[in-house]
Amino acid sequence: QSALTQPPSASGSPGQSVTISCTGTSSDVGGYNYVSWYQQHPGKAPKLMIYEVNKRPSGVPDRFSGSKSGNTASLTVSGLQAEDEADYYCSSYAGIKWVFGGGTKLTVL
Amino acid sequence: EVQLVESGGGLVQPGGSLRLSCAASGFTFSSSGMTWVRQAPGKGLEWVSHISSSGTTTYYADSVKGRFTISRDNAKNSLYLQMNSLRDEDSAVYYCVRFRSGSYFDYWGPGTLVTVSS
Repeated sequence: QSALTQPPSASGSPGQSVTISCTGTSSDVGGYNYVSWYQQHPGKAPKLMIYEVNKRPSGVPDRFSGSKSGNTASLTVSGLQAEDEADYYCSSYAGIKWVFGGGTKLTVL
Repeated sequence: EVQLVESGGGLVQPGGSLRLSCAASGFTFSSSGMTWVRQAPGKGLEWVSHISSSGTTTYYADSVKGRFTISRDNAKNSLYLQMNSLRDEDSAVYYCVRFRSGSYFDYWGPGTLVTVSS
């Protein structure tokens, strides 16, 4: 059982927006602004998409955005494209350890 | 270009040992904290261990504490994970990952597969 809770699946049509939630506790998500999100295509290594809740690394499209409220963080993908279909994982610092969510499979219909 | 390349994975019997290595290039290795993250087949990501840039501070997940040892050689730009008393549940792809001070992981190696089975 993963430390952070994500929905197992999410979906949307091309051009639509989809939001993936990541729920933790006051000891991880709620306690620090150190939430990050990773995209993983099948057979590939994860790729950083969002860090420190809402910052995008260079090269990540601005269609990807992050936010946090209390113990729940969210990743929003706007203007869905076929290449966004992948698994998404959230992660949070939890005090001398790091925890991940169980992952959400995003399907572009 | 940042590159991280893991090696040392393979098939090992329960109770056995394995040492993973990660060769880093394209950045100042001695200035970066490093982390191992694993992923069991068909499962999610699990943080395993972290080492500070100097190597003086290390952290471990409860699931591997006392069995795994993380280390680094800054002169060789290399990261290691010594895995002892291996269990079936340690079977996974192990990723070498660069850690950033905002508590995130910005570059990942392609991973090396460890299979623990009799």
